[in-house]
Amino acid sequence: DAKTTQPTSMDCAEGRAANLPCNHSTISGNEYVYWYRQIHSQGPQYIIHGLKNNETNEMASLIITEDRKSSTLILPHATLRDTAVYYCIVRRNSGNTPLVFGKGTRLSVIA
Amino acid sequence: DAEITQSPRHKITETGRQVTLACHQTWNHNNMFWYRQDLGHGLRLIHYSYGVQDTNKGEVSDGYSVSRSNTEDLPLTLESAASSQTSVYFCASSESGRETEAFFGQGTRLTVV
Repeated sequence: DAKTTQPTSMDCAEGRAANLPCNHSTISGNEYVYWYRQIHSQGPQYIIHGLKNNETNEMASLIITEDRKSSTLILPHATLRDTAVYYCIVRRNSGNTPLVFGKGTRLSVIA
Repeated sequence: DAEITQSPRHKITETGRQVTLACHQTWNHNNMFWYRQDLGHGLRLIHYSYGVQDTNKGEVSDGYSVSRSNTEDLPLTLESAASSQTSVYFCASSESGRETEAFFGQGTRLTVV
């Protein structure tokens, strides 16, 4: 599975959009981009995933560049409850290998 | 509602004792996973299972074992607890063929003294 690179930490003002980048320059054609987050002292939580088209759900939007070498997770109106570590994971959508977590980005939403 | 639960949430044990952490899910998921999380290391895979009687070693499996006798449960056993196994342990489950859309438990904080 392709490796990912994320900034260690980011700040965002409450109510503003949080844009979390992820580089995955070695991504293969059959690999998806997944995002999870982990709020302090809780288990990781699935957010969204995509292959090549932009995706949106009730939690976030995922923008994947045309060459698929990078992506951005967008939280449109960040709240204090969005403070968490965000993990970008690239892997095949099927197959028999589990999730592999990197270090992620620690997002701090500031009032 | 379907869920995944871990027990106990907190445990303190002594070095050398056998410890078992429970994980129970009610989604009827075939896939179950155990991770540990330590400061500076993030989440690391210990063991996983793709169905009853199936178990596989992960990145940090030494000193741990699992068994899968039914779909709902994947208990994690520390055969002889060591201080290096002090950590927060997370269990997860997912549907077959959709391994990455996993649901995680709330974690078990284990302290080995």
